[in-house]
Amino acid sequence: GAGVSQSPRYKVAKRGQDVALRCDPISGHVSLFWYQQALGQGPEFLTYFQNEAQLDKSGLPSDRFFAERPEGSVSTLKIQRTQQEDSAVYLCASSSVGAPEQFFGPGTRLTVL
Amino acid sequence: AQSVTQPDIHITVSEGASLELRCNYSYGATPYLFWYVQSPGQGLQLLLKYFSGDTLVQGIKGFEAEFKRSQSSFNLRKPSVHWSDAAEYFCAVGAGGNEKLTFGTGTRLTIIP
Repeated sequence: GAGVSQSPRYKVAKRGQDVALRCDPISGHVSLFWYQQALGQGPEFLTYFQNEAQLDKSGLPSDRFFAERPEGSVSTLKIQRTQQEDSAVYLCASSSVGAPEQFFGPGTRLTVL
Repeated sequence: AQSVTQPDIHITVSEGASLELRCNYSYGATPYLFWYVQSPGQGLQLLLKYFSGDTLVQGIKGFEAEFKRSQSSFNLRKPSVHWSDAAEYFCAVGAGGNEKLTFGTGTRLTIIP
């Protein structure tokens, strides 16, 4: 596809369950970002990959959050032992080398009951 | 640390009227500035960006923005709004290269007939 894709689009989890969110960036984009958007707020940075290297994970809220991009393309954001405060939209974005603008996917809306 | 302030949480304008959405940023060096639009249930779409050069930048859908360094502002404007412009608008600042973006809390735009 031409844009960033994310799956699933919606996820409902019971508190304590583990979830995995997938991001498929634009083909050839080296950089990949994850953001968390709480209801009524702007997106907040979680983590950043350049190819397969995770260069910045300063925004991950706890050690329950883990992201990977093993082959430098598709990325997975994993949340272990989900809590109600994890309920949010998780956005993935990608960008090409030397280009600051980021292109966003449609997001995954996570609801933790 | 960089930050973005969008003072207006919600703005209502009549269809055909002009629009200005405010954005103020805090950043130590020359910022990379962006405006994104988000429709309900959708990801973020890039409207326009400023990196350097001409301080008045044109974007998609008839939007423009002006960078004013002395006021640390990057306000978004449109001469005549259309009902389809109703959405949430986010201003963002970045350090350039492939760096994370810091977003404002957004301005919700409502269009009335």
